[in-house]
Amino acid sequence: DTAVSQTPKYLVTQMGNDKSIKCEQNLGHDTMYWYKQDSKKFLKIMFSYNNKELIINETVPNRFSPKSPDKAHLNLHINSLELGDSAVYFCASSQEGSTDTQYFGPGTRLTVL
Amino acid sequence: SQQGEEDPQALSIQEGENATMNCSYKTSINNLQWYRQNSGRGLVHLILIRSNEREKHSGRLRVTLDTSKKSSSLLITASRAADTASYFCATGPLSGSRLTFGEGTQLTVNP
Repeated sequence: DTAVSQTPKYLVTQMGNDKSIKCEQNLGHDTMYWYKQDSKKFLKIMFSYNNKELIINETVPNRFSPKSPDKAHLNLHINSLELGDSAVYFCASSQEGSTDTQYFGPGTRLTVL
Repeated sequence: SQQGEEDPQALSIQEGENATMNCSYKTSINNLQWYRQNSGRGLVHLILIRSNEREKHSGRLRVTLDTSKKSSSLLITASRAADTASYFCATGPLSGSRLTFGEGTQLTVNP
């Protein structure tokens, strides 16, 4: 069974559209994250949730809105997509705090045309 | 500027050789972690070393930590073609709530 799963794996869309990426973890972890990896492989944290509560919210445009219906799921909704949003988005989870070992999903490659 | 900076940015070696990657950071840490990312995949945790530890081993991996120099190294011994990947260090700060990842070292092991 996959520990951290994301859907879809690839997402190609037009500028201005709204899209969502879903993430689920079956590890029983309390903390989940969204990261953005750019074309140079630089990985930057976007959001972190602990037991459905937002604990980290980096300076991300408010077009990005995370939603955690329960502690096993953390979805990312993006409004009014822009060219600069093209990247690979990774979901991750950890058992304890945000500096604990993190388990990553396979990533969602978003391409905005 | 980045908390963790890897050196070198790219490393190409022959199978069987050892590979050493370095990571430097700026602020005090609680722990330092190394992750591997194969092309098109998510990051996989390799090893975590705490600030009060100096060396840690896991299979063919050896990690050292020098808090006085704010640096860490990852040694992969007897490398294999399957070790080809990007390797990232990530620092967990003493006071802070997130890991900060470096920019990675791209390791290529030629068969």
